[in-house]
Amino acid sequence: AQSVTQPDIHITVSEGASLELRCNYSYGATPYLFWYVQSPGQGLQLLLKYFSGDTLVQGIKGFEAEFKRSQSSFNLRKPSVHWSDAAEYFCAVGAGSGYSTLTFGKGTMLLVSP
Amino acid sequence: DTGVSQDPRHKITKRGQNVTFRCDPISEHNRLYWYRQTLGQGPEFLTYFQNEAQLEKSRLLSDRFSAERPKGSFSTLEIQRTEQGDSAMYLCASSLVAGVWNYGYTFGSGTRLTVV
Repeated sequence: AQSVTQPDIHITVSEGASLELRCNYSYGATPYLFWYVQSPGQGLQLLLKYFSGDTLVQGIKGFEAEFKRSQSSFNLRKPSVHWSDAAEYFCAVGAGSGYSTLTFGKGTMLLVSP
Repeated sequence: DTGVSQDPRHKITKRGQNVTFRCDPISEHNRLYWYRQTLGQGPEFLTYFQNEAQLEKSRLLSDRFSAERPKGSFSTLEIQRTEQGDSAMYLCASSLVAGVWNYGYTFGSGTRLTVV
């Protein structure tokens, strides 16, 4: 069965500093990988996705992620964090019958300090 | 297009009572999903519909849970004889069949259930 591991429960970053959130997946076939962001009391918003091709994918809000098959990783990065980026971030792998369901990691809470 | 709507936003119920949640997907989306998110966890898949057909159910969906999408539009999720372990955020999402991986899901804001 597929699984996603986000090793960091919380991360604190100074505003303006760079950010990297880690994600490792386990899946037997070609993975469909996603990063979502969730602000308090809100649903999840898709930041970016990877299916195939270029292993560096660009998303919304200045985020990017790099797929590394050899490391089973899909880490999320941003060169300069803004206070409004404080939220919870979830990595997910697409799987299930017809690749329709998502398996999420437990999330990483990003705190941004002034 | 107002996105995916869920009602109510919050629900407090006593243990043993039945509750029903509603989800209105994006109108042109033919797939609708239910996920559950407990504190400190990522969302977990419960079930999904393609039009009115329920195509997949998770083992998490016990006999006390039932979901319907009678006309392929809105969906309801009912929990019978609620237990304290049912306390969670229930998230609904929708997508197009053809673009499920191209465009991803669109999630609603969720219904937070508290069982006391």
